[in-house]
Amino acid sequence: GEDVEQSLFLSVREGDSSVINCTYTDSSSTYLYWYKQEPGAGLQLLTYIFSNMDMKQDQRLTVLLNKKDKHLSLRIADTQTGDSAIYFCAESVTGSNYQLIWGAGTKLIIKP
Amino acid sequence: EAQVTQNPRYLITVTGKKLTVTCSQNMNHEYMSWYRQDPGLGLRQIYYSMNVEVTDKGDVPEGYKVSRKEKRNFPLILESPSPNQTSLYFCASSYGPASGYTFGSGTRLTVV
Repeated sequence: GEDVEQSLFLSVREGDSSVINCTYTDSSSTYLYWYKQEPGAGLQLLTYIFSNMDMKQDQRLTVLLNKKDKHLSLRIADTQTGDSAIYFCAESVTGSNYQLIWGAGTKLIIKP
Repeated sequence: EAQVTQNPRYLITVTGKKLTVTCSQNMNHEYMSWYRQDPGLGLRQIYYSMNVEVTDKGDVPEGYKVSRKEKRNFPLILESPSPNQTSLYFCASSYGPASGYTFGSGTRLTVV
């Protein structure tokens, strides 16, 4: 069945760029999402990319989509301590407007 | 403020004692969903609802019930809780794929 995979942890130095990677299996997914979960809080939508796009940029965030390799990445420029969180990748289910398949989440650890 | 409200935030209960976790959204979203989050497993969907009186099972529905009598409310019912239902639970709602999901703040349930 469909699956979304992410590394469980990523450690970066404050001020460096963070790149969080995700691979997915459903090549027909229409939307791919990045959500952020801060400690003790629910998930919040960071950004999404439509499947016919290769890249989307929003301030410090850059999303890259490689459909051939089914690879999605989230780059956070100039990483700050406030970026410490768990980042979830999710893909939409083909034929559904609402159902998502979730990755297990990547915990971003910021070193001073 | 547009939000999904879950109650309670924390709950400790004993095995077999029926409980209900409430979820309410004020955004007139048709789609609502319940997830549980366990370390290393990411988010797993329990039940979802596409509209009033329309509910369906997610990936891990055993031991749970839901109802959708009104558009804004989507309670999660555990008729006879067991220790393996100890988890962090999230309710979410959505307007459509481009808006993503809005999550509640979570309910941490411990069953002893």
